[in-house]
Amino acid sequence: AQTVTQSQPEMSVQEAETVTLSCTYDTSESNYYLFWYKQPPSRQMILVIRQEAYKQQNATENRFSVNFQKAAKSFSLKISDSQLGDTAMYFCAFTSYFGNEKLTFGTGTRLTIIP
Amino acid sequence: NAGVTQTPKFQVLKTGQSMTLQCAQDMNHEYMSWYRQDPGMGLRLIHYSVGAGITDQGEVPNGYNVSRSTTEDFPLRLLSAAPSQTSVYFCASSSPGQGGYGYTFGSGTRLTVV
Repeated sequence: AQTVTQSQPEMSVQEAETVTLSCTYDTSESNYYLFWYKQPPSRQMILVIRQEAYKQQNATENRFSVNFQKAAKSFSLKISDSQLGDTAMYFCAFTSYFGNEKLTFGTGTRLTIIP
Repeated sequence: NAGVTQTPKFQVLKTGQSMTLQCAQDMNHEYMSWYRQDPGMGLRLIHYSVGAGITDQGEVPNGYNVSRSTTEDFPLRLLSAAPSQTSVYFCASSSPGQGGYGYTFGSGTRLTVV
């Protein structure tokens, strides 16, 4: 069974600064996908970024990037030039490459951007 | 283009009552699943389905029942509500091979059992 661990329950950062959210996972599989989801106060689950385990290149989406370390089973999210709208709960999640009918989530990090 | 539709958005139940949370998707996704979200515990899988007529248990299935008679619908039934089932419930869907592109989530149902 896979597990996903987010060790930072809460974080805060000043607007325009850079912040990094940590995520580690455990799996015996070699092919899988990793995700970061954002959940603002509206409760909607929004996909921020995804990483395919067989790709060594780290994924980037505008101000969001990841540091994927497959051997260390680490998948951190970096938010650059943070904005007030980035205030949300962030979840790291894993799904298997084969039979990817289900997600395994971490416990989340509540991020607050301070004006 | 509705995506995944969950109803109701809010519900208050008394202990022992039963109810059904509805989930419908219009994307012809084969995979559908139910999660519950509790503070400090993230989202945990309750039940999932890989196609019409096929369901299986997730991490926390006790007290819940599901069926999948059509591709579009995947209702979650609470047989006898308990305060421990107070939670936010999410339905999600994806297609085989497309799960790696992320899942489509409904907007959630906040359930309170008193």
